[in-house]
This record gives sequence, C-alpha cells and structure tokens, in this order.
Amino acid sequence: TQLLEQSPQFLSIQEGENLTVYCNSSSVFSSLQWYRQEPGEGPVLLVTVVTGGEVKKLKRLTFQFGDARKDSSLHITAAQPGDTGLYLCAGVGNAGNMLTFGGGTRLMVKP
Amino acid sequence: NAGVTQTPKFRVLKTGQSMTLLCAQDMNHEYMYWYRQDPGMGLRLIHYSVGEGTTAKGEVPDGYNVSRLKKQNFLLGLESAAPSQTSVYFCATYRGSMYFGPGTRLTVL
Repeated sequence: TQLLEQSPQFLSIQEGENLTVYCNSSSVFSSLQWYRQEPGEGPVLLVTVVTGGEVKKLKRLTFQFGDARKDSSLHITAAQPGDTGLYLCAGVGNAGNMLTFGGGTRLMVKP
Repeated sequence: NAGVTQTPKFRVLKTGQSMTLLCAQDMNHEYMYWYRQDPGMGLRLIHYSVGEGTTAKGEVPDGYNVSRLKKQNFLLGLESAAPSQTSVYFCATYRGSMYFGPGTRLTVL
C-alpha cells in the first residue's frame, strides 16, 4: 500500500507570511498532483508535477517534485486570506488512473 | 457542461436505513470513483469503475455497494447504514486529473 504523509496538518498564519507544506512517501510515483479544497466543495486540481526535480510556479505558489519522485512540497509566498483552504497532495500510480491522497493540510490565513 | 453532479447534497439517516447516492457526469470519462472524506483521514477510496458495467473495490468497501449500468452514472448504495458511515462522500471522474463533484454530507444517527 502506497502512503502519502502531509505536514503540517494544520497551519494558521498572518497575511503576508510565507509557508511550506510537505508531502512525503516511501513509494515512487509516476507523477504527483496538488489539489485545493474549499469548504462545501470538492477538491480542484492546482498542478501536476511529473519529472523528478521539477519545479512549477502558479502565481505565488511554487510546487516541487523530489528528485526521486517520492516527495513534493508546496511553497506559498506572501499568503493571502484567499489562500485559506485544505491542500491535498495525491500520488499517481503507474496505472495512471489510481491516486493515493495525503491526509491534507488545512491552511488558515488571517487578515 | 455541469461536470460531475451528486444527489442529494445532504441526508440524515437512522441506523439500519438504506439509501442510494447518485453521481452523474457529462464529460464522457471512463473512470469513476467514490471517496469518503473524514476529518484527519483525507480521502479514502470506497469503490471505483473503469467503464460501463464494471466495478471494483477500493480501500474501504465494506458496507457499500455500487453499480455502473450507464457510462454517465455511478451509484453508491448503503444497504444498512451505520453511524461509522457518517461522512462526506465525493464522486469523481478521472482523465489526467480527478474531477470531483460537490459532495454529499451524510449523517447516520
């Protein structure tokens, strides 16, 4: 069974601060996805990282896939209240259609 | 396009009652999934389907049954609800990424 551990589980910060969320596994994934979920809604895809060492930027969000394709990080620069939500990482298996989700990081950004 | 829709949005059941959750998609995706989401436990896969007429067990299938008679619909059934099945249920389809429905919040008393 492939497991993904996310840390921290909860994060409460002030607007303007930086933060990093980690997603770690002992298993290798063909790719890794990050989702964001707002209250009362389903998760929505933010990014997919495929190549070991890959870095992708989405405005103030920076995503990195570990060299060994076992871990990933999400860094948010100058967080804003609109960034509040649940962030989920998901490892994609070799079959391509089965995802393993991490437990999630609940972020609250206070104005 | 509506994407992935779920019916109902909320439901309260008594222990032992049965119900069916309906998921519909208009994206013509082959793969469909049912997840449950509980605090601190992330998303756990209940059952999934790789195409019309197929179903398979996921990580936590006990107490649930599913059917995929039509490509666009994926039904999740609870034959005899238990308080442990209180959760938020998400249906999803997959093509390159997961497309989730808005969820069904189920409470079993």
